[in-house]
Amino acid sequence: KNEVEQSPQNLTAQEGEFITINCSYSVGISALHWLQQHPGGGIVSLFMLSSGKKKHGRLIATINIQEKHSSLHITASHPRDSAVYICAVIGGDSNYQLIWGAGTKLIIKP
Amino acid sequence: KAGVTQTPRYLIKTRGQQVTLSCSPISGHRSVSWYQQTPGQGLQFLFEYFSETQRNKGNFPGRFSGRQFSNSRSEMNVSTLELGDSALYLCASSLAGYFYNEQFFGPGTRLTVL
Repeated sequence: KNEVEQSPQNLTAQEGEFITINCSYSVGISALHWLQQHPGGGIVSLFMLSSGKKKHGRLIATINIQEKHSSLHITASHPRDSAVYICAVIGGDSNYQLIWGAGTKLIIKP
Repeated sequence: KAGVTQTPRYLIKTRGQQVTLSCSPISGHRSVSWYQQTPGQGLQFLFEYFSETQRNKGNFPGRFSGRQFSNSRSEMNVSTLELGDSALYLCASSLAGYFYNEQFFGPGTRLTVL
């Protein structure tokens, strides 16, 4: 079993829909990153959070440390949001490793 | 402010050779992390350097090594290349490390081992 699991693996939605991507982890963590990777490989850091909720524009990230779960929400989705969304946790045995999820491929159709 | 740069962008090598990849972080950033991305394994953490010292290390064999210079530029070396080393190698810089700050990623070096 992977230490960081993301769901769904693939998600296709219509423009304007509310999107939720989930990340569950089985290790103790210090913090969690959400990142976005566009076709071609470029990766952009979206959020780093260790508790509660953060918002940036149409993106919202939440984390529940007790339940070992984080969600990334996109409101009013747009085709330019199409990308792979990856969560990564700072945790594991050493508590300093960055452990990556497999990513969620999101396609927003116009 | 210039972003993270990686050179070369593309590289083709043969099995048994060695390769050196370079990463120049954003000015003022002291932490550089290296990652390997393959279709089968996804993103995996290689190591992190901070102020010329390796601070954290992932689960990769000793063929993978790195170093960081006083200007924070970092190099990654892979010796005795294997076919399975074909991947996109990404570096990311941050002010103090992924433990504390968001990371800024370079465009990556795509390595193909024949």
